[in-house]
Amino acid sequence: DAKTTQPPSMDCAEGRAANLPCNHSTISGNEYVYWYRQIHSQGPQYIIHGLKNNETNEMASLIITEDRKSSTLILPHATLRDTAVYYCIVRDNTDKLIFGTGTRLQVFP
Amino acid sequence: DVKVTQSSRYLVKRTGEKVFLECVQDMDHENMFWYRQDPGLGLRLIYFSYDVKMKEKGDIPEGYSVSREKKERFSLILESASTNQTSMYLCASSLTGGRNEQYFGPGTRLTVT
Repeated sequence: DAKTTQPPSMDCAEGRAANLPCNHSTISGNEYVYWYRQIHSQGPQYIIHGLKNNETNEMASLIITEDRKSSTLILPHATLRDTAVYYCIVRDNTDKLIFGTGTRLQVFP
Repeated sequence: DVKVTQSSRYLVKRTGEKVFLECVQDMDHENMFWYRQDPGLGLRLIYFSYDVKMKEKGDIPEGYSVSREKKERFSLILESASTNQTSMYLCASSLTGGRNEQYFGPGTRLTVT
């Protein structure tokens, strides 16, 4: 079973920051938080991952709370092409990913 | 760029047919995975492989088998397709060593009638 809880859907205006929350209250010390997204009719795409420090790359920022029980993915300037389902995944040191049902982000003009 | 390709985007088969779904990756990845995706259920892992001729059951292996004869190719086999196997099938690959990102193919939408 997925160890994360995400809202089923969110809206965001184009050009604004999209902040996608994720709860993972049972995360253990060696588990990382991963984010993937899936644009309609495509396979999932890796975005970012982190353990306990905040992370940033060219796609997004990941903010993990100090107790690691929740995190937020931030798309700083959302575009229409960011409309997708976003999956937050807690992952141990194996190669397996366990996907939940994700958050459907709709970016509107 | 990593490329994961799947043999068909859309496939329609009849109940009882044997179905082969093929996946090829071009980045010399050790790990390969097969998922199915259904509305409201997200992606569920069917089988994965850490190396040639090795396979491990995922969460929902019943009704499926796999074959990995070459490192770059991972096949999913439905021995006798049933209507409840109508789904989107996604293949992925990754380097080994834990926590490496998985690269996904575009998916095959299989309809069993």
